[in-house]
Amino acid sequence: DTGVSQNPRHKITKRGQNVTFRCDPISEHNRLYWYRQTLGQGPEFLTYFQNEAQLEKSRLLSDRFSAERPKGSFSTLEIQRTEQGDSAMYLCASSLAGTDTQYFGPGTRLTVL
Amino acid sequence: ELKVEQNPLFLSMQEGKNYTIYCNYSTTSDRLYWYRQDPGKSLESLFVLLSNGAVKQEGRLMASLDTKARLSTLHITAAVHDLSATYFCAGTFGDEKLTFGTGTRLTIIP
Repeated sequence: DTGVSQNPRHKITKRGQNVTFRCDPISEHNRLYWYRQTLGQGPEFLTYFQNEAQLEKSRLLSDRFSAERPKGSFSTLEIQRTEQGDSAMYLCASSLAGTDTQYFGPGTRLTVL
Repeated sequence: ELKVEQNPLFLSMQEGKNYTIYCNYSTTSDRLYWYRQDPGKSLESLFVLLSNGAVKQEGRLMASLDTKARLSTLHITAAVHDLSATYFCAGTFGDEKLTFGTGTRLTIIP
């Protein structure tokens, strides 16, 4: 049983560039979540999918952020025109509907210079 | 506004001592979770608490839930160095997303 995987693990970019992160959930998990964690804080919810449907989006998810899960398996999170305030750890989690636990991936650490 | 508050935020304990981390939340929860995070790492699920009076134990850690008081506790017994980490409580409150507390950074001193 492989866990949740995320790529890349680290990303350094210049302000104004676009970045895309990928998350591969645990096989057969139909729910997938994105969270953002800044230094010294708990993770904050961004969005979640059940299968390919995006069911909820946080107000934190500005119009520069977009997430997709086109085939109900892996998901991508894109940030356009990055800002220094986007620097954070982006965490992906997955779960099976009807069960209780969200399993987290290792995260992608984004640094915007 | 939904709030999940933990205290203390920082905790240094000597090996062998007992201590408790508290998690208060501001509205009725569906499920209450405890996660562990090591520096630079992701989150590891420790406990899921579903109902009032629920108590779960794993090794030196025990979690409990009082839904009437909107309080969960994580009790550490006879702390050892390996327990040094940041501990988060989180809950679901009428939907599927987790709302996290700010975390308790625990350092066990030999």
